[in-house]
Amino acid sequence: SQKIEQNSEALNIQEGKTATLTCNYTNYSPAYLQWYRQDPGRGPVFLLLIRENEKEKRKERLKVTFDTTLKQSLFHITASQPADSATYLCALGREYYGNNRLAFGKGNQVVVIP
Amino acid sequence: NAGVTQTPKFQVLKTGQSMTLQCAQDMNHEYMSWYRQDPGMGLRLIHYSVGAGITDQGEVPNGYNVSRSTTEDFPLRLLSAAPSQTSVYFCASSGSRDVNYEQYFGPGTRLTVT
Repeated sequence: SQKIEQNSEALNIQEGKTATLTCNYTNYSPAYLQWYRQDPGRGPVFLLLIRENEKEKRKERLKVTFDTTLKQSLFHITASQPADSATYLCALGREYYGNNRLAFGKGNQVVVIP
Repeated sequence: NAGVTQTPKFQVLKTGQSMTLQCAQDMNHEYMSWYRQDPGMGLRLIHYSVGAGITDQGEVPNGYNVSRSTTEDFPLRLLSAAPSQTSVYFCASSGSRDVNYEQYFGPGTRLTVT
């Protein structure tokens, strides 16, 4: 069965440094991969999408890479700030009978220390 | 735009009771989904809909019913609540023309079944 793995341990990082999160998957061939941010007590919020034929995507201080050979995505937050503290979810997507179905990882918490 | 709204925010049920979780969106999105989020499990798809009158099962549909009579509303019914259904429930919507396949999540309903 498909498996999506994100590090269960929180990432504690000093303000100003780059936070890097990993999303690994098996038994899955996604057409695209998304990253979401979730704050405590709130629903996830979309950040970025990267397609299977793309290697890298950037949005402001965020960078995502996607390696379909390694079955891995890396998510980078550069110049991290305390406001970046949250849980980050990766989601793999593909079309399924007219709907774009997502399979989510469990999330990885980031704590940015001032 | 209010986006995706969910009611209630919190609910406590006794085993065997039934209830309906409400979800509405005002973005004219075709796709709507229900997820549950449990500690250590990530988001799991319960049911989804690709348009009014069309619904289908997700990964964990047992014990839940849905219907979609309008584009805006997608209620989730718990037929006979069980303690295993204690969870946080998120409704999400997305538009067929969104090139990022972005899912917009509601604020969630925290359900406890005793």
